Amino acid sequence: DAKTTQPNSMESNEEEPVHLPCNHSTISGTDYIHWYRQLPSQGPEYVIHGLTSNVNNRMASLAIAEDRKSSTLILHRATLRDAAVYYCILLTSGTYKYIFGTGTRLKVLA
Amino acid sequence: DAGITQSPRHKVTETGTPVTLRCHQTENHRYMYWYRQDPGHGLRLIHYSYGVKDTDKGEVSDGYSVSRSKTEDFLLTLESATSSQTSVYFCAIQRQGIQETQYFGPGTRLLVL
Repeated sequence: DAKTTQPNSMESNEEEPVHLPCNHSTISGTDYIHWYRQLPSQGPEYVIHGLTSNVNNRMASLAIAEDRKSSTLILHRATLRDAAVYYCILLTSGTYKYIFGTGTRLKVLA
Repeated sequence: DAGITQSPRHKVTETGTPVTLRCHQTENHRYMYWYRQDPGHGLRLIHYSYGVKDTDKGEVSDGYSVSRSKTEDFLLTLESATSSQTSVYFCAIQRQGIQETQYFGPGTRLLVL
């Protein structure tokens, strides 16, 4: 299973954009890039996913490098409620098992 | 929240006793999963199920068994609990129609003394 590398922690000021990086240099052509986040004392929740093209939804944007060896989750305006651990996960199409890393703990400063 | 409930939400037990955790879903999803989460770690897959009576092991399956006799329930059993199984346990389902994304329950906090 391909692995991902994320910074252990990041800080952001409230109402500013946040760019959370993820490196996945061993990604294969059939691997989807998924992002989840885990708020304190809750289970993870789905944020966004993509394969090759950049993706947007109501929660965030996902920017995928042209060589697909890295990606960036973008929160356009961080709020205090966005403080969480963010996980970048690779999932091979047709498989159904996630491999979670330790994620990035995002702290949002008021 | 995909209609996922876990029971119990908290449990304290003693080493050597059997423990069963229940995951219940209301939306008839085929795939269900059990994970554990320990401090400083992300989630690790214990077992998963791809249908009634169809289960397979994850990366940390030793000491755990599972059963799925009906679509809506996925049971995780610790046959003889050990202190190393103290953890937070999360159940998840894969929602059909949304490509391979999972939805998680609220978790069960288990303490083995």
